[in-house]
Amino acid sequence: KAGVTQTPRYLIKTRGQQVTLSCSPISGHRSVSWYQQTPGQGLQFLFEYFSETQRNKGNFPGRFSGRQFSNSRSEMNVSTLELGDSALYLCASRLVKGRTDTQYFGPGTRLTVL
Amino acid sequence: ILNVEQSPQSLHVQEGDSTNFTCSFPSSNFYALHWYRWETAKSPEALFVMTLNGDEKKKGRISATLNTKEGYSYLYIKGSQPEDSATYLCAFKGLGYDMRFGAGTRLTVKP
Repeated sequence: KAGVTQTPRYLIKTRGQQVTLSCSPISGHRSVSWYQQTPGQGLQFLFEYFSETQRNKGNFPGRFSGRQFSNSRSEMNVSTLELGDSALYLCASRLVKGRTDTQYFGPGTRLTVL
Repeated sequence: ILNVEQSPQSLHVQEGDSTNFTCSFPSSNFYALHWYRWETAKSPEALFVMTLNGDEKKKGRISATLNTKEGYSYLYIKGSQPEDSATYLCAFKGLGYDMRFGAGTRLTVKP
């Protein structure tokens, strides 16, 4: 079974630009969550999508948005990039069966904002 | 505020040593506690999902315990090996809350 894939793996943008990151979950997984990791910080929850609907949203500004398609693939968009948005962005998928659901993480997209 | 704290922040041990780390989380609204291992240049890998007070899980030389009443979980590694070198993350899932990760414990095992 193929794992969670994320594209692109690396990205360099300049301040003010926007960026779209993509995540393909494990086949059959219906939930996709996005996380941000910056140096010195733990993984910070961005949002979770399930059946094309956003279920939860973390404490991030409105510049961070996402969506999920009918095949469960998800995209995350960051508009008007700031230097502080430089981070590793991870997505994770899970089946959504119950309390013992395991999240499976992708390799991440490393975003650098210059 | 849902704080998830992990200690120590980093740990250096010799090959063969046994070690343990702590994850502290809120004792109310508990739903599940996850442990992950994150090796450099790889994706975080799920180790355990724990849901019941008193739960003990084991995977090879790694085991974990859970105390939901007092809000802590321990991760133990018996006979550490260099390949155990990684950052170990715990994540707390509360009822009605998103997943909150601790900052991790970075383990280095010297041959």
